[in-house]
Amino acid sequence: GAVVSQHPSRVICKSGTSVKIECRSLDFQATTMFWYRQFPKQSLMLMATSNEGSKATYEQGVEKDKFLINHASLTLSTLTVTSAHPEDSSFYICSARDTGTHQETQYFGPGTRLLVL
Amino acid sequence: GENVEQHPSTLSVQEGDSAVIKCTYSDSASNYFPWYKQELGKGPQLIIDIRSNVGEKKDQRIAVTLNKTAKHFSLHITETQPEDSAVYFCAASGPQGGKLIFGQGTELSVKP
Repeated sequence: GAVVSQHPSRVICKSGTSVKIECRSLDFQATTMFWYRQFPKQSLMLMATSNEGSKATYEQGVEKDKFLINHASLTLSTLTVTSAHPEDSSFYICSARDTGTHQETQYFGPGTRLLVL
Repeated sequence: GENVEQHPSTLSVQEGDSAVIKCTYSDSASNYFPWYKQELGKGPQLIIDIRSNVGEKKDQRIAVTLNKTAKHFSLHITETQPEDSAVYFCAASGPQGGKLIFGQGTELSVKP
């Protein structure tokens, strides 16, 4: 149980294009999902908290117009990196909390490797 | 806000030995402390967690201890195996299921 998937697993795009990453909770409902970014040899940095049916909450320094988050259902959140540039190349990971258990445990997806050329 | 410090950054042990990773947190209101294992190129996997109403929790070869007074918590892995080699992250979160704040990570290497 508590499986989170991400798609795609890796993506290469040209500078200036937009990329959408999907995060799905496969066997539970998730009112709240989280998006993290991880650079090589570094820890996970929270970018934003995604809440179903409402606007995402962004961490300080994260541009909401560049990293668009949509959480339209209880099992799906999407992150769109708009006008991507090489410095956006990173490992993007989502996590989800099981709404049904009312627990704070976060289950992570396998991550999406983004390379912007 | 919350800050989590993790030590050591790298740890090398012989197969069969024990490994200990330590974390400290700054916010006394934090009440949930998970540990994640991350293998290369993969997402973090929850291996054990502890809540502030418990001082110790064990799951087979893995145990976590929590000292609320000192704001320390530690991960203990006994009888290490090569497949335990990975990066381990501690994290802390506050009341009402707040966001997780991660430590810097520990790269554990278990030599056969």
